[in-house]
Amino acid sequence: NAGVTQTPKFQVLKTGQSMTLQCAQDMNHNSMYWYRQDPGMGLRLIYYSASEGTTDKGEVPNGYNVSRLNKREFSLRLESAAPSQTSVYFCASSVEVTNYGYTFGSGTRLTVV
Amino acid sequence: SQQGEEDPQALSIQEGENATMNCSYKTSINNLQWYRQNSGRGLVHLILIRSNEREKHSGRLRVTLDTSKKSSSLLITASRAADTASYFCATGGATNKLIFGTGTLLAVQP
Repeated sequence: NAGVTQTPKFQVLKTGQSMTLQCAQDMNHNSMYWYRQDPGMGLRLIYYSASEGTTDKGEVPNGYNVSRLNKREFSLRLESAAPSQTSVYFCASSVEVTNYGYTFGSGTRLTVV
Repeated sequence: SQQGEEDPQALSIQEGENATMNCSYKTSINNLQWYRQNSGRGLVHLILIRSNEREKHSGRLRVTLDTSKKSSSLLITASRAADTASYFCATGGATNKLIFGTGTLLAVQP
C-alpha cells in the first residue's frame, strides 16, 4: 500500500537549472495536486489535475509546468529554477476534487542556490 | 492567500489534557477538512465535515462546524505525546480544490 510516491526526496539546484518532480499514486484516484509549503505560509496550490487529461492552475503557478502523464502519474517541472522556488513540494491525490480527503506524498525538499 | 486561518498559531499542553484548535474562513464552503503533519512528513487526513453537518467524531477527535460564523474547531481529547504535530484546516468549495490554512503547532509535553 504505497499510496502517493514522490521522487526525489531531496534536491539541490543551481539558479537556472531545470528539473522534474515525479509523483505517482496507486489508489486509482482521479484527481492529483501539487502544493508547495513554505514557513509561515501553509500549503499553496501550484497546479492540479481534476481528471486524466486535464490540468489547471492553482494559486502560485508561475515558473512551473505540469503533465498528467496517465491516471497514476502527475509531474511538476521547473524550467529555470529560481531561489524563490526553494521550498518543500507535496504531491497529493483524491478520489475526486470535491468532498474527499487528500492523500499526500512525503514531500520533496528543494533548495535552489 | 489562505482561505482558513487557524488559532492559536502554537499551543503547548500536558499529556492527558484536551487540545482545542480553531479555524476561521472567509467564503462559503462545501466541506472543511482537518489534517495533521508530523515534522518533516507529509500531511495526513484526519476528518472531513460537510457544510450541512454540525459535529463529527473520530476516535479522540471531535470537529464542529458553524457555517453562520464561518468557523470550525478541532478538539483532541486526552492528548498524548504522539499528538505533537502541526494541524491544518482546509476548505473545499462545491467545485473547487482544497485551500489550506497556515496551521497550529501543537506540542504535548509528556
